[in-house]
Amino acid sequence: GAVVSQHPSWVICKSGTSVKIECRSLDFQATTMFWYRQFPKQSLMLMATSNEGSKATYEQGVEKDKFLINHASLTLSTLTVTSAHPEDSSFYICSARGTSGPGTQYFGPGTRLTVL
Amino acid sequence: GQQVMQIPQYQHVQEGEDFTTYCNSSTTLSNIQWYKQRPGGHPVFLIQLVKSGEVKKQKRLTFQFGEAKKNSSLHITATQTTDVGTYFCAVPSNSGYALNFGKGTSLLVTP
Repeated sequence: GAVVSQHPSWVICKSGTSVKIECRSLDFQATTMFWYRQFPKQSLMLMATSNEGSKATYEQGVEKDKFLINHASLTLSTLTVTSAHPEDSSFYICSARGTSGPGTQYFGPGTRLTVL
Repeated sequence: GQQVMQIPQYQHVQEGEDFTTYCNSSTTLSNIQWYKQRPGGHPVFLIQLVKSGEVKKQKRLTFQFGEAKKNSSLHITATQTTDVGTYFCAVPSNSGYALNFGKGTSLLVTP
């Protein structure tokens, strides 16, 4: 089946630093990847849609200058949390949609970010 | 985009009892997907329902899509401790391919 990886799986950083999270589709090409955020005991909230070779589309209320998304290839999208603050601590999950089929999304294992 | 309400928020059952979670929308849905997230894990795709009145089964799990395509349910027969987790329904967002998730139903199964 389709596999999506994320790196790192967890990261702890100091307030004010930037953190980059990678999302890779390992065995299929993903023209579209999605970034979600999940706070403890809450649902997944879509942050942005990442399209290969073009600018990401951000959901309302998500700061594009704070959450930088780059989708440089058909298998890699990155999310950079710039100038991270404790309120950015969360579980960040990416998903990738294949180029064929009914549109099933395959989720990465997630990255747990803790900002001190 | 399409939005969906999911109930109940929590369900605690004894092993062997049945479990059902429901998702409802005020608008007609093009499709609905179901995911399971184990504690500490990521969502895993279970199924997608597209047709009005569709019923699909996966072993002890039965998924239904309402005739009006405004509601859906996931029913687990004779729960096992391995069923523990949060079950989410998800529907297409404004973006088309992205998903709007329900709030999820957390299932706890005690032996």
